[in-house]
Amino acid sequence: QVQLQESGPGLVKPSETLSLTCTVSGGSISSYYWSWIRQPPGKGLEWIGYVSHTGSANYNSSLARRVTLSVDTSNKQFSLKVNYVTAADTAVYYCARSRSSSFPDYFDYWGQGTVVTVSS
Amino acid sequence: EIVLTQSPATLSLSPGERATLSCRTGQSVGSYLAWYQQKPGQAPRLVIYDASNRATGIPARFSGSGSGTDFTLTISSLEPEDFAVYYCQQRAGLTFGGGTKVEIK
Repeated sequence: QVQLQESGPGLVKPSETLSLTCTVSGGSISSYYWSWIRQPPGKGLEWIGYVSHTGSANYNSSLARRVTLSVDTSNKQFSLKVNYVTAADTAVYYCARSRSSSFPDYFDYWGQGTVVTVSS
Repeated sequence: EIVLTQSPATLSLSPGERATLSCRTGQSVGSYLAWYQQKPGQAPRLVIYDASNRATGIPARFSGSGSGTDFTLTISSLEPEDFAVYYCQQRAGLTFGGGTKVEIK
């Protein structure tokens, strides 16, 4: 059974960089597309971006200038960095896997989510 | 960016009743649409993909239909565990709709 686990600081100061890591267990990180999705308090889901096992990435256009995704296949991890955060970046951050191994599509495995608060 | 609009925002029903949720996309997405269920404090769970295919472990009372710009998720007879928020998502740009909350009447 594939499992994903997010890790990283729960509190980030405004204008600083939010950094999260997702560790994959119970399955291979090779193939598939690995995404980050966030959910502000009381609101809906926002896809942030995905990275493939080869390291190629694609981002939500609304966040592209501040976001970087990367993958470390040897440690079965992928990571998210969001620069210059503001209070609007406060959310639950989920990592997730694409259902297809051939192209990014729907999300069939999710981490439990990690709460990130932006505050001084 | 393709915008997904879900309606209604809230659906108040009793256990055993039929739930019909709608998702409209701003342009055609073919059959490339999914539905997710999210309960409080939990990650979303894939329910339907490619408009009408049930994901692994999803009961037969869940069904999806539609193509192009209009899609429907139907729960034939609500069980207590079905009360949750449901989101649609399109495959091309990976965007989500705003969600429909199915609450107990």
